[in-house]
Amino acid sequence: GDSVTQMEGPVTLSEEAFLTINCTYTATGYPSLFWYVQYPGEGLQLLLKATKADDKGSNKGFEATYRKETTSFHLEKGSVQVSDSAVYFCALSDQAGTALTFGKGTTLSVSS
Amino acid sequence: DAGITQSPRHKVTETGTPVTLRCHQTENHRYMYWYRQDPGHGLRLIHYSYGVKDTDKGEVSDGYSVSRSKTEDFLLTLESATSSQTSVYFCAISETQGARNSPLHFGNGTRLTVT
Repeated sequence: GDSVTQMEGPVTLSEEAFLTINCTYTATGYPSLFWYVQYPGEGLQLLLKATKADDKGSNKGFEATYRKETTSFHLEKGSVQVSDSAVYFCALSDQAGTALTFGKGTTLSVSS
Repeated sequence: DAGITQSPRHKVTETGTPVTLRCHQTENHRYMYWYRQDPGHGLRLIHYSYGVKDTDKGEVSDGYSVSRSKTEDFLLTLESATSSQTSVYFCAISETQGARNSPLHFGNGTRLTVT
């Protein structure tokens, strides 16, 4: 079945550092790929998405590029802020698109 | 924020008792989902619904049942709660095309503890 693998956390960074959170996937066909973010005590929110190979999703300074050749969708941000501290989830939706399969999540902690 | 209300927000119950969690939406979205979130597992799909009285199982459906008698309400029932069902439960909704083409909007979760 479909699966998503994220790098283990927690990731601890200083403010203004560069962020990369790795995500790879296994799926048949052409899935859509997503990054969701969860702030403490809240539900998940969509951060960005890409629906086909070579698409780049971006939002709030975060970016991720859909790489079919490496089955990857790594999340990057050039300069993190304390307010970016949260849990980040990579997810995919298969071609049927009825539900999402999530990775285990990566906790990001940014200190000033 | 999408209009999703989960109730209760917290619940403590004893092993063997039935428990029902409620998800109510005001967005008139077709798709509704129940996920559970556990450390080391991320989010796992329990059940989902693609319309009134139309439901299907997810990857961790054993021990759970669901019902959707109205567009706005999706109920998750634990027929006989077990300690392994201690978790945070999230309801999510998405528009007519499901998860692939429209984002999931999540409620704020229900923290369930089974003692």
